[in-house]
Amino acid sequence: AQSVTQLDSHVSVSEGTPVLLRCNYSSSYSPSLFWYVQHPNKGLQLLLKYTSAATLVKGINGFEAEFKKSETSFHLTKPSAHMSDAAEYFCVVSDPRDTGRRALTFGSGTRLQVQP
Amino acid sequence: EAQVTQNPRYLITVTGKKLTVTCSQNMNHEYMSWYRQDPGLGLRQIYYSMNVEVTDKGDVPEGYKVSRKEKRNFPLILESPSPNQTSLYFCASSQTRNRDIQYFGAGTRLSVL
Repeated sequence: AQSVTQLDSHVSVSEGTPVLLRCNYSSSYSPSLFWYVQHPNKGLQLLLKYTSAATLVKGINGFEAEFKKSETSFHLTKPSAHMSDAAEYFCVVSDPRDTGRRALTFGSGTRLQVQP
Repeated sequence: EAQVTQNPRYLITVTGKKLTVTCSQNMNHEYMSWYRQDPGLGLRQIYYSMNVEVTDKGDVPEGYKVSRKEKRNFPLILESPSPNQTSLYFCASSQTRNRDIQYFGAGTRLSVL
């Protein structure tokens, strides 16, 4: 079984300051991990993915995430927030061994608010 | 432009009145899936389809039906909607060989009164 816990339901930052969105996962195997972003009234868009290559993963729009196996974490960061980053962010895990359903297990989401 | 199109975007209906939410993708993807999104629960998979005529239950299939008669279309059917099916629904598609990267539609917000 796999699960994802996003530690903050809401995060508020000022424009130009760093962003940290926290995610812990649980799985009995080496998982694939993702961050998806959902802007208001839009579908979800893939930000970045980890699939057992480099532990520091760079994504779109200046975001990156670091896979830490010892801490079972996959936190999302960005050095400087922009107003356009305001959205809901989902941490997602899947089982790379699953050649069938390959279900994505979503965290409950973190709403990022960026103050001017 | 590569996209997943859902219709309608918004729907208000009454208990028991059958409805269909359509989903179409233009990327020739084999794999398609339906999710529902509820506050504090993230997205949960309702049904998925590995290819034409191949569908299977996800985590929360009760009260829903799907069909996959053509590769590009994957409609979600609520035969007798109930208020607990009020939710935001997303259709997604991906290549079979890279199912981790799914492309999502813009969502359908459904209210069942």
